[in-house]
Amino acid sequence: NAGVTQTPKFRVLKTGQSMTLLCAQDMNHEYMYWYRQDPGMGLRLIHYSVGEGTTAKGEVPDGYNVSRLKKQNFLLGLESAAPSQTSVYFCASSYGPREQYFGPGTRLTVT
Amino acid sequence: SQQGEEDPQALSIQEGENATMNCSYKTSINNLQWYRQNSGRGLVHLILIRSNEREKHSGRLRVTLDTSKKSSSLLITASRAADTASYFCALTPGNTPLVFGKGTRLSVIA
Repeated sequence: NAGVTQTPKFRVLKTGQSMTLLCAQDMNHEYMYWYRQDPGMGLRLIHYSVGEGTTAKGEVPDGYNVSRLKKQNFLLGLESAAPSQTSVYFCASSYGPREQYFGPGTRLTVT
Repeated sequence: SQQGEEDPQALSIQEGENATMNCSYKTSINNLQWYRQNSGRGLVHLILIRSNEREKHSGRLRVTLDTSKKSSSLLITASRAADTASYFCALTPGNTPLVFGKGTRLSVIA
């Protein structure tokens, strides 16, 4: 099992550009999450999904959109990147509200 | 705030010593979890303790939960250099998703 994988691992964007981060899990988990982590901070939840076709806002959803068209995939989109979105993005999945399994992260820099 | 607060923010110990870090919170919880994050990596789940449990063990890890004081502690016994990482507590307040604290940075010096 690959667990949770994230694509890409690194990305540099210019302000105003758009991009999509892909998260994939092979554990048949219902729940999937997107977090951002900034220096000295814990993880802050951006959006999450409790099943295929469902999404919900987390603590810091502004500037991001998500889609869960397939159970195994959870996509995070930035429509118009801003320097404040420079961060490390982590995807996670779980069986319900229990322990979460994390991907390796995507380091995004917006210049 | 629904976030847990870890204490201390940073801890430096010698290999072989025990490391204790604490998490305090303000809301009612269903469970509390501890995670480890090695530098530049994703988080790894360590232990989940339910609100009706007082203590759990996993290898060299011991977690306690005191719901009357709204606090939890993580004890790592006989620490190793490989335990150097950041440790986060995470809460499940009601039906909302997990809320992470800012973490304790542990350095174990060989």
